[in-house]
Amino acid sequence: RKEVEQDPGPFNVPEGATVAFNCTYSNSASQSFFWYRQDCRKEPKLLMSVYSSGNEDGRFTAQLNRASQYISLLIRDSKLSDSATYLCVVNAGTGGFKTIFGAGTRLFVKA
Amino acid sequence: IAGITQAPTSQILAAGRRMTLRCTQDMRHNAMYWYRQDLGLGLRLIHYSNTAGTTGKGEVPDGYSVSRANTDDFPLTLASAVPSQTSVYFCASSDFPATPTDTQYFGPGTRLTVL
Repeated sequence: RKEVEQDPGPFNVPEGATVAFNCTYSNSASQSFFWYRQDCRKEPKLLMSVYSSGNEDGRFTAQLNRASQYISLLIRDSKLSDSATYLCVVNAGTGGFKTIFGAGTRLFVKA
Repeated sequence: IAGITQAPTSQILAAGRRMTLRCTQDMRHNAMYWYRQDLGLGLRLIHYSNTAGTTGKGEVPDGYSVSRANTDDFPLTLASAVPSQTSVYFCASSDFPATPTDTQYFGPGTRLTVL
């Protein structure tokens, strides 16, 4: 079993749709959680951190469920510019060398 | 320089050749990392350095070496390239020790093809 698992997709949605991605992790000692966005042929960039209380940034909402060991990302009112790969990222310690990246979920938003 | 730079942007290399990928950051981060990204496998850590003068092995270190002579630079060397090292290589940096909200910042990547 992979340490961080994501549905690779692709998710094909129309503009304005709501789409949700889930990610599961296997290490119960994981301490911090993030969603990164990666555009085609570009580097990954932080989208948002994920807290136990959940957090929202505009159209994006992230949730953490420690009991079930999964995190989620909800995108409302999808835009064409949201088309990208979304990486689930889990850190098991205080060093970046303990960071595990999921393989990513591809999203295509269509006009 | 703003953030992290990598060089070259892309490279085609004959098998058996030696190659060094360069990475420089200007954020004064203690920690730096090298990842490779392959289709369907996500980012895999090759080597890392928590502070200047120290390095450590990641998930896939074989065939690669690194050095960290100063805070800013973290070169990755392929001593004798093989076709399985064809990949996109990303350098990243972060604070260390990291707080739970600290994240990694990535360079633009190097696309390496070994023939």
